[in-house]
Amino acid sequence: QVHLQESGPGLVRPSGTLSLTCAVSGGSVSSSNWWSWVRQPPGKGLEWIGEVYHSGTTNYNPSLKSRVTMSVDKSKNHLSLEVSSVTAADTAVYYCAKSIAGAIGFDYWGQGTLVTVSS
Amino acid sequence: EIVLTQSPGTLSLSPGERATLSCRISQSISSSNLAWYQQKPGQPPRLLIFGASSRATGIPDRFSGSGSGTDFTLTISRLEPEDFAVYYCQQYGGSLYTFGQGTKLEIK
Repeated sequence: QVHLQESGPGLVRPSGTLSLTCAVSGGSVSSSNWWSWVRQPPGKGLEWIGEVYHSGTTNYNPSLKSRVTMSVDKSKNHLSLEVSSVTAADTAVYYCAKSIAGAIGFDYWGQGTLVTVSS
Repeated sequence: EIVLTQSPGTLSLSPGERATLSCRISQSISSSNLAWYQQKPGQPPRLLIFGASSRATGIPDRFSGSGSGTDFTLTISRLEPEDFAVYYCQQYGGSLYTFGQGTKLEIK
């Protein structure tokens, strides 16, 4: 049973950089899976941010691509997300999720962490 | 960009009734690239269906998915009290995932 746990600052200043990590337990980030980040503004729907493979290969949502960096740390078995030049529109619950093997869908999700962008 | 439109926005039904949720895609996709999720307040989404019609591990058989091309459906055959939640469809194409805006299933 894979367990994902997001962590990071709950408050980020406008124009700053949002940095989150996702600790993976019960599985390895080096397995043959893609790992995604998804966010959800309060009271709104889901937005896919991007995905990363253990090789470091990434795919980003074009709407965020210029501000997003994702990486994998195999030694710590965790994922990282950075979003730069944040505004209030980046306020959301941020989730990490694991792609189901050989299919489309995210079968394991973290509980999510709320990040508020405010001065 | 592929757009997913879910209908209705809100569906009011009673326990025991049948729920039919629609997801319309702006362009034809492979059925293998369509998934459905359930989300309850304060919780992450839960994968229900992948590949348009395959139930994820542990999902009761009252949940079923169908459809092809641009029109997909999630059916809940007999609603249980725990099924009242928000449901999202998701597609993958061109190295990009997109979600529908969600259907809220509420108790009538």
